[in-house]
Amino acid sequence: SQQGEEDPQALSIQEGENATMNCSYKTSINNLQWYRQNSGRGLVHLILIRSNEREKHSGRLRVTLDTSKKSSSLLITASRAADTASYFCATDPTGANSKLTFGKGITLSVRP
Amino acid sequence: NAGVMQNPRHLVRRRGQEARLRCSPMKGHSHVYWYRQLPEEGLKFMVYLQKENIIDESGMPKERFSAEFPKEGPSILRIQQVVRGDSAAYFCASSRGQGSSGANVLTFGAGSRLTVL
Repeated sequence: SQQGEEDPQALSIQEGENATMNCSYKTSINNLQWYRQNSGRGLVHLILIRSNEREKHSGRLRVTLDTSKKSSSLLITASRAADTASYFCATDPTGANSKLTFGKGITLSVRP
Repeated sequence: NAGVMQNPRHLVRRRGQEARLRCSPMKGHSHVYWYRQLPEEGLKFMVYLQKENIIDESGMPKERFSAEFPKEGPSILRIQQVVRGDSAAYFCASSRGQGSSGANVLTFGAGSRLTVL
């Protein structure tokens, strides 16, 4: 099964509202990353949080990590219609020659 | 400073034909990853390569699929005798590896969409 499991699977909000997306994982990680995918395009890296960090900010993005619960959340504040996309969490395991494992993604729709 | 280049963007094949997907990593990146994306299923890891070496192919089907990353030229994902179930978007990503930062951040291409008739 996938390492990262996001929830909800789909989220629809009004422009200006905040969007919170969650990710749970199963094994030890070096870091956890969030990516965004617009329809028909490749994934774009948004933000990375290391296993020894609890919270990180980047513009309107805030990510938290709780290694004891093996979970992370991505908060997008003051959402815009342009934030409509799919969002994926990816876990980067400990050890050399690592590969990122992605969840199934969350489809975010921001209504204008 | 081109990113990850994949071609073709769209490929149509009939059952039994071969599909070849190419990926040129971002300049300065020596690590290449291939992922497959099916609707409603997210991205599934297929293979991880460095120049002339397959590092991890645990996600590759045992038959019909192969990948290479030669010393010169792009990485190639090859699917022989395609079947309808191979229809999917195939994404290539590249990175510098973990490096001194210890973090492996991927840069993705736009994907190659394979349709098997």
